[in-house]
Amino acid sequence: DAGVTQSPTHLIKTRGQQVTLRCSPKSGHDTVSWYQQALGQGPQFIFQYYEEEERQRGNFPDRFSGHQFPNYSSELNVNALLLGDSALYLCASSSRWGAEAFFGQGTRLTVV
Amino acid sequence: DAKTTQPPSMDCAEGRAANLPCNHSTISGNEYVYWYRQIHSQGPQYIIHGLKNNETNEMASLIITEDRKSSTLILPHATLRDTAVYYCIVKMGSGTYKYIFGTGTRLKVLA
Repeated sequence: DAGVTQSPTHLIKTRGQQVTLRCSPKSGHDTVSWYQQALGQGPQFIFQYYEEEERQRGNFPDRFSGHQFPNYSSELNVNALLLGDSALYLCASSSRWGAEAFFGQGTRLTVV
Repeated sequence: DAKTTQPPSMDCAEGRAANLPCNHSTISGNEYVYWYRQIHSQGPQYIIHGLKNNETNEMASLIITEDRKSSTLILPHATLRDTAVYYCIVKMGSGTYKYIFGTGTRLKVLA
């Protein structure tokens, strides 16, 4: 079992550009959540998807959007990148009926 | 969602037990206590969770007080590889509930 996989691992973008991050959940998991972790802070919840719909959303602007595919994988899109979007983006997968979530290793996004 | 309070940092000698406290005085009856740890710049790693009974697995033990207002994560024989930030989180048990992370406890295991 490969666990939760995220791609790419590192990314450098220019302010104003758009970025797409990808996540494949752990086998058997149908729920994917995304978190943003700024340097020195705990992860902050962005949103959660299951059954291909956004089910919960944290306090993030509409520039942050996502998608879940029929195979449960997910994408996080960020438009009009700001310098403050530089962070580690974490994907977590879980089962709707289970308890603990498992996190991927994250994508380190740097906006210059 | 109930909030948690943890000390910002702790040191522990290698080979000794590391006891990490967490206060969650506003926890509700159907909320669980979860512990994760994050080793530098990696994704958080699940350690253990519990509702009201003490729990033990291959990584750690979780002791929850009878009133459920606080808990302690115990790493029985800390090693240098246990150096990490440890997060105590309170949430509902279903996988559809979000985690609210605080700033955690930075544990340094000393040789």
